Amino acid sequence: DAGVIQSPRHEVTEMGQEVTLRCKPISGHNSLFWYRQTMMRGLELLIYFNNNVPIDDSGMPEDRFSAKMPNASFSTLKIQPSEPRDSAVYFCASTENYSNQPQHFGDGTRLSIL
Amino acid sequence: KQEVTQIPAALSVPEGENLVLNCSFTDSAIYNLQWFRQDPGKGLTSLLLIQSSQREQTSGRLNASLDKSSGRSTLYIAASQPGDSATYLCAVTLRGGGNKLTFGTGTQLKVEL
Repeated sequence: DAGVIQSPRHEVTEMGQEVTLRCKPISGHNSLFWYRQTMMRGLELLIYFNNNVPIDDSGMPEDRFSAKMPNASFSTLKIQPSEPRDSAVYFCASTENYSNQPQHFGDGTRLSIL
Repeated sequence: KQEVTQIPAALSVPEGENLVLNCSFTDSAIYNLQWFRQDPGKGLTSLLLIQSSQREQTSGRLNASLDKSSGRSTLYIAASQPGDSATYLCAVTLRGGGNKLTFGTGTQLKVEL
């Protein structure tokens, strides 16, 4: 049973460039979450979707960040333009559409903006 | 705003020792509390999930308790092993907050031979 799949695992790019992170949730899971992890701020929820619809994007830092979920098996998180302070590990997680189910995490994308 | 704190931030114990990790939260109106494990360079693995109506959950050598009124949870690890070395995070979901998790700061555990 495949878990949550994220790509790429590592991304190094120069500031100002567009960055696109990808996530494939576990089949049958209706909720998808994007998190960011840094040493300073820990794990923070950026946005989450239920049935492909964005429910809460209050954690998205600014307009440079956008997320989409065009179908139940794919989501993207885009940063445009990227800045050095966006450097972090970005995690995607999915769960069944119930609050009492554990979230399953991908291995993350380590993003470095030079 | 819900705040979740974990103490200690780091812990080193000899193999075989029983240990307790602590988690506290400021808003007791939670829906559930989860304990996760994170290995270096990896994502989080869910260990235990406690509903707000429950007092504890057990899985193998792990036991998690919840005292909602005092805003506390503990993760008890029995007979620790080097393979238990990882960062442990607790996270809460607020009532009416959908599936949003608020994470604690984590406890980095090292079990030494």
